[in-house]
Amino acid sequence: ETGVTQSPTHLIKTRGQQVTLRCSSQSGHNTVSWYQQALGQGPQFIFQYYREEENGRGNFPPRFSGLQFPNYSSELNVNALELDDSALYLCASSNAGGRLSNEQFFGPGTRLTVL
Amino acid sequence: GENVEQHPSTLSVQEGDSAVIKCTYSDSASNYFPWYKQELGKGPQLIIDIRSNVGEKKDQRIAVTLNKTAKHFSLHITETQPEDSAVYFCAANSNTGNQFYFGTGTSLTVIP
Repeated sequence: ETGVTQSPTHLIKTRGQQVTLRCSSQSGHNTVSWYQQALGQGPQFIFQYYREEENGRGNFPPRFSGLQFPNYSSELNVNALELDDSALYLCASSNAGGRLSNEQFFGPGTRLTVL
Repeated sequence: GENVEQHPSTLSVQEGDSAVIKCTYSDSASNYFPWYKQELGKGPQLIIDIRSNVGEKKDQRIAVTLNKTAKHFSLHITETQPEDSAVYFCAANSNTGNQFYFGTGTSLTVIP
């Protein structure tokens, strides 16, 4: 059984640029959620994807967008990067079918630094 | 929305002692409460969870208790070991079920 994987592990961008982060969900999982974790803080929910559609969104602006593919992998896109976007971006998968009362497993994260 | 508070923010214990971390939540509709352990440079790892229809759950040295009336839940680690040193996060699901709200984390240090 393969766990949740994310790429790249680290990324450095400058203000105003755009970035795409990728996530492969754990085998058998159909739901992917993305979280932003600032240094010293708990993860903050960005959005969730189920059946290739957004299924819930946290308090993040529209410049944060995502995709889910038929194989359940997912992308997080962030446009017009700001310094405050510097954080660890975590992907989590589950087989909850769009609800999160089941276990959710996290990947190792992508460390994004915006200069 | 849900608000999860976690205490303490840091905790140091001697090896072999017990550690307790407490969380409170605000949304009475939350029904799933996981605990995660995060080591440096890694993603959070699920260590135990509890659903609202039970009051306590135990897995070897780790236990979680839930008081729905008071809206608080706690993580108990007994016989702590140096490898238990990490940041621990509690979480609660939203009333729609499709997002988790996390506490601010507890940095646990187990002193050999």
